[in-house]
Amino acid sequence: SQTIHQWPATLVQPVGSPLSLECTVEGTSNPNLYWYRQAAGRGLQLLFYSVGIGQISSEVPQNLSASRPQDRQFILSSKKLLLSDSGFYLCAWSWGTGDEKLFFGSGTQLSVL
Amino acid sequence: RKEVEQDPGPFNVPEGATVAFNCTYSNSASQSFFWYRQDCRKEPKLLMSVYSSGNEDGRFTAQLNRASQYISLLIRDSKLSDSATYLCVVNSPGMDSSYKLIFGSGTRLLVRP
Repeated sequence: SQTIHQWPATLVQPVGSPLSLECTVEGTSNPNLYWYRQAAGRGLQLLFYSVGIGQISSEVPQNLSASRPQDRQFILSSKKLLLSDSGFYLCAWSWGTGDEKLFFGSGTQLSVL
Repeated sequence: RKEVEQDPGPFNVPEGATVAFNCTYSNSASQSFFWYRQDCRKEPKLLMSVYSSGNEDGRFTAQLNRASQYISLLIRDSKLSDSATYLCVVNSPGMDSSYKLIFGSGTRLLVRP
């Protein structure tokens, strides 16, 4: 069966510090991978998605970046965090075969102070 | 206008009640539709897909009205464990014509004893 791991669960970082969130998927090959952000009381906003190693599409301009160094690894990074980067970050995967169902990781609650 | 709109609620209902949520979407070219459930501070989980002919899964019934561009979710015989936020999700074409999942902000349901 397929599983998705995302860590850490919570993170408190000062403004201007770097960020690295990691997500890995097990039990499948060549999944589509996604990073979403959910601000308090808001809907999920797609930040990045990837259909393969090294292939990253950005949905919104921001000071975040994503990388996919391996088939089942997706990393969200920032060189300098802003207060507005606070939120609930979710990694997700889908089969990438036209089946759009998403399976989410457990999320990272990021607080930038 | 938001691409996917939902009444934020909360809907406060007694156990055993029937409750219905609606969701409207703006892009008539949207192709597929889903309901996700999200518990507080947890990741969203797929509840059910929504098919044109309507579909039922136990106490849950989903319907799609393409002409009016809305989706509904009906929950019968509400349980305390149904308390959660229900997210309407629509697969819509973006500016580059590729399809993306667009999430509504969610409708919060509280089922009381």
